[in-house]
Formats: sequence, structure tokens, C-alpha cells
Amino acid sequence: SQQGEEDPQALSIQEGENATMNCSYKTSINNLQWYRQNSGRGLVHLILIRSNEREKHSGRLRVTLDTSKKSSSLLITASRAADTASYFCARPRGSQGNLIFGKGTKLSVKP
Amino acid sequence: GAVVSQHPSWVICKSGTSVKIECRSLDFQATTMFWYRQFPKQSLMLMATSNEGSKATYEQGVEKDKFLINHASLTLSTLTVTSAHPEDSSFYICSALRLAGGTQETQYFGPGTRLLVL
Repeated sequence: SQQGEEDPQALSIQEGENATMNCSYKTSINNLQWYRQNSGRGLVHLILIRSNEREKHSGRLRVTLDTSKKSSSLLITASRAADTASYFCARPRGSQGNLIFGKGTKLSVKP
Repeated sequence: GAVVSQHPSWVICKSGTSVKIECRSLDFQATTMFWYRQFPKQSLMLMATSNEGSKATYEQGVEKDKFLINHASLTLSTLTVTSAHPEDSSFYICSALRLAGGTQETQYFGPGTRLLVL
């Protein structure tokens, strides 16, 4: 079954504002990944954070991981209209590397 | 970066026909590929894990006789939806697992195939 919940389910902000999305999971993990999906498109890998890391940056993206709370957050700073997309967290399941995706947050950035 | 392609990008077919979707890793070899299905406004649901040279592993509730998977080479996996019905209409996305730095693995996703069964 799918595990991982994201909140909020939908987020609407103005261009230039920061967007924060949260993800919770139920079991222990080796890493947690964040993906972006533009409407009707495939997924783009954004960032992977390992279980021994607490924070990771990539450009305007900042991901945190709190393994004690089994939660992660994705922060997009200075958002742009082009950031409009759905964002999913995903964790590996088992040894084969398949991913379990959260329900996603639909982000809308208004110009 | 690693590129994964899917073909076709969209397909419309009549109920009862079979549809084949190809997933290719263009610039790397992938011993493992995954097939996901995504219904509108929902998340991705893993259907099966495709291993080169061996039988696919299907998730609970996914009919292996309906969704045939063939991973005949290190760069190609195919998903065939047999005797498609309208409820099979969905967005099918594949991904390929790329080994990097020994242990770190990243999945690279294809652009998806939208299937509409009439």
C-alpha cells in the first residue's frame, strides 16, 4: 500500500513567496526523495536526502529530514510561476529500489 | 543527465485490443525498471518491477496476465496491456534505475504514456 502523506494537498502562492511542503512516512528509511511533476508529464528528480542527513540544498530548494518525527519538508524559495507543478516525496521500499510515493502537493504559483 | 523515453506518448484504442508501451533508457543501462500507473489527480502507484532477463515482480492486485512485462535488454522494457478496457485508461509511467557511485541509486522517469480505451 502507498505510504507517505504530504501536506498541504494544494498550495497557492504569489510569485516571489516561499512554498513549504511537508511529507510524513511510517517506516524507517535509508533515504527520502522529492520529485516534481508538471501536469500530464513524467517526474523530475529534485533531491535525495539520506537518513543521516538533516538538511540539503539545491539551488532554490531546501530539504530537511527529521527521522525521529518521520517527516521531511521541501522549501522552495523565491517561487516562480514555472514552479507550478505537483510535488511528491518518495521513499525506497525493499532492496530492489522501487519507490513508494506520497499523495503529493499541488503547487500553484501566481504571477 | 540520464534520459528515459517512452513510446507512444499517448494512445487511443478500442476496448478489447492490446496496447504495447515501450520504455527505454537512452544513455545508460538499467537492469531494473519500474512501471507505475497514475489516475487523474492521484499519486503514482507501482504496478511492477521489471528485471532484465527474469520475470517481473507484480504488486498486489495487479494482474500479471493482463499487464505483460518484458525486459529483454538492458535498455528496454515493454508493458503490454492486454484486452484493454475503459477502466485501464490511465497515465502509465516507467522509470529506470541507474547505479551511481556504487550504492546510490536514482530512478529516472520517462515522460509517461496516456492511454485512453474507448
